[in-house]
Amino acid sequence: GAGVSQSPRYKVAKRGQDVALRCDPISGHVSLFWYQQALGQGPEFLTYFQNEAQLDKSGLPSDRFFAERPEGSVSTLKIQRTQQEDSAVYLCASSFGQGSPETQYFGPGTRLLVL
Amino acid sequence: GDSVTQMEGPVTLSEEAFLTINCTYTATGYPSLFWYVQYPGEGLQLLLKATKADDKGSNKGFEATYRKETTSFHLEKGSVQVSDSAVYFCALTPLGSSNTGKLIFGQGTTLQVKP
Repeated sequence: GAGVSQSPRYKVAKRGQDVALRCDPISGHVSLFWYQQALGQGPEFLTYFQNEAQLDKSGLPSDRFFAERPEGSVSTLKIQRTQQEDSAVYLCASSFGQGSPETQYFGPGTRLLVL
Repeated sequence: GDSVTQMEGPVTLSEEAFLTINCTYTATGYPSLFWYVQYPGEGLQLLLKATKADDKGSNKGFEATYRKETTSFHLEKGSVQVSDSAVYFCALTPLGSSNTGKLIFGQGTTLQVKP
């Protein structure tokens, strides 16, 4: 079947705008993760869902970041009042089960540029 | 907190050369360890993993051994090909009461293989 998909692939926003990034995980995958990858760095964990429950949001950098997965499938990461430091690639990953050492399958990412 | 440190790149090798990319970690207990690879224009994908001390993960000619005594998980390949050119990320999943499986990544090492 299809892998993890993300949209849009590229997003340019003016500082102060709100943006919404979408993730479609692999069908049937229980776990969903969001990561933020700055240029030249490794991805950094933002938040984790088990089905529709957000069990870990310890990596969200501020209260401007909000994520949801209302029906336990598609997830949306929303960033309010974007700042230049939010410019990064946002990666979504899903896994069939939960916990370690489940393999995570990554989407292609959304590249966000805040001007 | 838990962390991963990789050797800095870029690493440039000739085809058929021996490859080592160093990775060390700091973590509580015995985390699971992973190598992910990002080929040009593609998303992150799992290369190999090891879940306990002295385990050896292997795939596509790449190997890495979980060394508890040196807290290391170095990636090796006996003979690299041009198609191995990519960015390689070492990662771990920390243990804990939540055990969500979230990944903590190193900063990545770029490998360029020349014909």
